[in-house]
Amino acid sequence: QSVLTQPPSVSGTPGERVTISCSGSSSNIGTNYVYWYQQLPGTAPKLLIYRNNQRPSGVPDRFSGSKSGTSASLAVKGLRSDDEADYYCATWDGGLSGSYVFGSGTKVTVV
Amino acid sequence: EEQLVESGGGLVKPGGSLRLSCAGSGFTFKNAWMNWVRQAPGKGLEWVGRIKHNADGGTPDYAAPVKGRFTISRDDSKDTLYLQMNTLQTEDTAVYYCAADPRGNWVGALLYWGRGTLVTVSS
Repeated sequence: QSVLTQPPSVSGTPGERVTISCSGSSSNIGTNYVYWYQQLPGTAPKLLIYRNNQRPSGVPDRFSGSKSGTSASLAVKGLRSDDEADYYCATWDGGLSGSYVFGSGTKVTVV
Repeated sequence: EEQLVESGGGLVKPGGSLRLSCAGSGFTFKNAWMNWVRQAPGKGLEWVGRIKHNADGGTPDYAAPVKGRFTISRDDSKDTLYLQMNTLQTEDTAVYYCAADPRGNWVGALLYWGRGTLVTVSS
């Protein structure tokens, strides 16, 4: 059971805008940067968003991140078939033992 | 081009040990905080632990499920990260990825990832 809660799945049609939520608490999202990773089928994860809303070079501006309080979200606009993947939020949790934590993951399906 | 290559995975019996390696290239390995992340079959990502670079003390941190059983170390002269896994349990079965946090502007971001190595714990 992850301390970061994401919806198991989100779907959309090509060109649509979808959002993925990530809910945490004051010990993680509330006090630390949020990161988003994309994992295409059968491949290693890839950094999509860092420091809440920054995109590494090469990541299309169709992807955007935001954070408010103890929640964060990833928006994908102009959905494409090759956006079908699992998406994970992540942050540092400064709780009892301190650890980097991933969300439970959201499968994005383009219908 | 930045690259991480894991090796050392395989089949091991419950209670056994295994050591994974991760060789880095194309970036300044000694300046990165290096992480291990695992993914059980059909499951999500789980952080295993990390080791800071020597300038920050070179100390490791571990996730609760592996603390006391796993040890992370690094050899910056070889640009290599290690994961020593002892007292392995069936629930440790997963693909193990190494991932680099280059620090600086990227602090906290796992920017570079390897392709992973599969560890199967089964009798």
